Parts: sequence; C-alpha cells; structure tokens
Amino acid sequence: SQQGEEDPQALSIQEGENATMNCSYKTSINNLQWYRQNSGRGLVHLILIRSNEREKHSGRLRVTLDTSKKSSSLLITASRAADTASYFCAINAGNNRKLIWGLGTSLAVNP
Amino acid sequence: SAVISQKPSRDICQRGTSLTIQCQVDSQVTMMFWYRQQPGQSLTLIATANQGSEATYESGFVIDKFPISRPNLTFSTLTVSNMSPEDSSIYLCSGTGGQRETQYFGPGTRLLVL
Repeated sequence: SQQGEEDPQALSIQEGENATMNCSYKTSINNLQWYRQNSGRGLVHLILIRSNEREKHSGRLRVTLDTSKKSSSLLITASRAADTASYFCAINAGNNRKLIWGLGTSLAVNP
Repeated sequence: SAVISQKPSRDICQRGTSLTIQCQVDSQVTMMFWYRQQPGQSLTLIATANQGSEATYESGFVIDKFPISRPNLTFSTLTVSNMSPEDSSIYLCSGTGGQRETQYFGPGTRLLVL
C-alpha cells in the first residue's frame, strides 16, 4: 500500500511542551502535506514541503523531509490547548492533485 | 482561499434508502474530490468529481453505489445508495485548483445508517 504511516498514533503532552509526529511512506513523491482536523470536522492545510526541500517553517510549525528514508516529521513548538486535534500527512505522488493519506496522529494538549 | 460548504451536516438514515450530499464551493476549483472517513480513521478517496463528465472512481468504489454529479465548477453531489450500516461514516468533499497543490475541505457530513 502507498498509504503513509504515522507515529505515534496518539500523543498526550502538557501545554508549553513540543510535539513531534512522524510520517513514513513507500513511494517517490512530488510533495508531502500536513493537515489538521478538529473533532472529525473538515481538514485544514498546515504546510506543504516539496521533494527537493528538506525543512520548512510556518509559525510554531517545523516540517522536515528525508526522501532517502521516505519520512517526514512535524514539530509543533510551545504547544497550546488549541493545538488539540488529529494531524494527518498526505503525499502527492502522481501527475494529478490526488493525495494519499496517512493514518493520523491524535494530539491532546493538556492545560 | 476557497470556502466549501456541505449539506446536510449530519443525518440518520434507514438501511436501503439513499442520501444525497451537496458540496458548494464559493469560487471556481479545477478538481473536486469526495472522501470517506470512518471515525478515528484516515481518509479514503472515493472519487474525483469531473465537471460535465463521469466521475473517476478509486478501486473499491463504484458508480452504482456512489453516483456523483458535478454540473459546474463550484458544485458537486455525492449520493450514497441503498445504504447499509457499513456506510456509516463521515463524508468529506474537497477542492483544489489553479496553482494550488493543497486541498480545501468542507466540514463533512456525518452519516449514521440504522
């Protein structure tokens, strides 16, 4: 399966701590994207990293990509209770806009 | 950025019936997608909704079960036909277009089939 795999499946931390989530995949990619989903609602795009990029930042988010290991990580620094959500990685691997989704990490940030 | 709305937001249906979910985008998007998400699970792509032509279905999904229409660039419907309890899920539509490589998502439709 080309589906991404994420770990951990669930993560519980205290406010102010950093949260790191990992994503692995099996095929060559055009880009890898991270999304957030609150309580089974629609997903919101967080950050996109292309196959020729190694690191990207957006606010408190830092994404790394290692194409040799076919893996990516999402780091959320100084977490807040509002960061509580499920986080999904998705890869774009073809010549269209279709995405293949990881299993997701459920993050709980405790006040 | 595009805003996507879905109707209904949730529904409870009897087995054997059908439900049509509507997806409206507030600006034109090139591609629209329909997903299914079981509670606590990942997203599974059902099909790509093509404007003015038949949708492109992923393996395991067929038109008879999930007919899709897309009459214009801003609107699409997904029908879940002859429902069974196994169809209980969240159904999500998304759109993308132009130079954008990421997807905008609707809020989802929670379906419970009894």
